[in-house]
Amino acid sequence: NAGVTQTPKFQVLKTGQSMTLQCAQDMNHNSMYWYRQDPGMGLRLIYYSASEGTTDKGEVPNGYNVSRLNKREFSLRLESAAPSQTSVYFCASQTGPHNQPQHFGDGTRLSIL
Amino acid sequence: GENVEQHPSTLSVQEGDSAVIKCTYSDSASNYFPWYKQELGKGPQLIIDIRSNVGEKKDQRIAVTLNKTAKHFSLHITETQPEDSAVYFCAATSNTGNQFYFGTGTSLTVIP
Repeated sequence: NAGVTQTPKFQVLKTGQSMTLQCAQDMNHNSMYWYRQDPGMGLRLIYYSASEGTTDKGEVPNGYNVSRLNKREFSLRLESAAPSQTSVYFCASQTGPHNQPQHFGDGTRLSIL
Repeated sequence: GENVEQHPSTLSVQEGDSAVIKCTYSDSASNYFPWYKQELGKGPQLIIDIRSNVGEKKDQRIAVTLNKTAKHFSLHITETQPEDSAVYFCAATSNTGNQFYFGTGTSLTVIP
């Protein structure tokens, strides 16, 4: 049982390049989330999808787009990468009701030069 | 929205001693409080959680206490071991909220 799988694990981009971070979960969870983690700032929510077919902005959505491709997959896209988007990105999934645990992948470490 | 504060940011203890990490929250509607452990290069892993209908929960060496009146909750680790060294995050959410609000993390070092 893989849980939440994120690809790639590492990526280096140049300013202005675009890329998509992939996330897939095999727990049949309804809700999925994208966070970024920066030193001293904890986990900040970028976007989330409460259920298949819906997406909503979180705390820091600027510069990002998301797609809930199906129940299993939730991707995060950087259209024109900026150095301020250098971070570690985590995907999480949750069974559905809000007061249930979120399960995290192992992250994508993204550097933008 | 909710605001979660976590203290201390770093904590060093001798092996076998206890460690306590404290979090406060601002939204009285919050009713679910998970704690996560994050090891180097890994994603956060749930270690214990508590809902607002109880004041304390234990799981072996780990316990969490909740004071709804004061709006704070704490993680207690007893008989610490070197493998407890990690970053710990608290979080809060509610039935009507759509997201978790995380604290800024505590880096725990257990000295052998």
